[in-house]
Amino acid sequence: AQSVAQPEDQVNVAEGNPLTVKCTYSVSGNPYLFWYVQYPNRGLQFLLKYITGDNLVKGSYGFEAEFNKSQTSFHLKKPSALVSDSALYFCAVRDYGNDYKLSFGAGTTVTVRA
Amino acid sequence: DAGITQSPRYKITETGRQVTLMCHQTWSHSYMFWYRQDLGHGLRLIYYSAAADITDKGEVPDGYVVSRSKTENFPLTLESATRSQTSVYFCASSESGGRHGYTFGSGTRLTVV
Repeated sequence: AQSVAQPEDQVNVAEGNPLTVKCTYSVSGNPYLFWYVQYPNRGLQFLLKYITGDNLVKGSYGFEAEFNKSQTSFHLKKPSALVSDSALYFCAVRDYGNDYKLSFGAGTTVTVRA
Repeated sequence: DAGITQSPRYKITETGRQVTLMCHQTWSHSYMFWYRQDLGHGLRLIYYSAAADITDKGEVPDGYVVSRSKTENFPLTLESATRSQTSVYFCASSESGGRHGYTFGSGTRLTVV
């Protein structure tokens, strides 16, 4: 079985401060990990992924995420948050051997205040 | 236009009625998925399809029916709508290999009254 946990329902930060959105996962094999962002009344947009290779992956809009196998975590980070980063963020995982099915976390609402 | 499109964008229906949500993709992706999004639950998989004429149940399939006679279309039917099926429904597709994750449609907001 595969699953994802996003322990924080909400994250609030001031513009210009670092932003971190936490994600932990559980898979039986090797994970494929993804982050998506959802703006109000929109579909989910791909931010970044980890398949293999470097543990630090860079994605769209200045976001990055660090894969930590020992802690089974894949936290999303941005060094300097913008008001426009306010959105709903989803972490997702797929077991390498799985039938392409992604499991999503419950989502974390990020609010960046000016 | 290339992409994945869902219709309708919004739908209000009455309890007990049958309603079909449409999903169309132009990439010829092998895999297609239907998720529902509910507060506190994130996205939950309803059904998925690996290819035309191949479908399988996800996490919450009860009350839903899917078909995939053509690669590009993957309609979702609620046979007899219930209020608990009020939700936002997302269709997604993925190329074979799945290394790039999914591409999502814009969603259908369904209200069952």
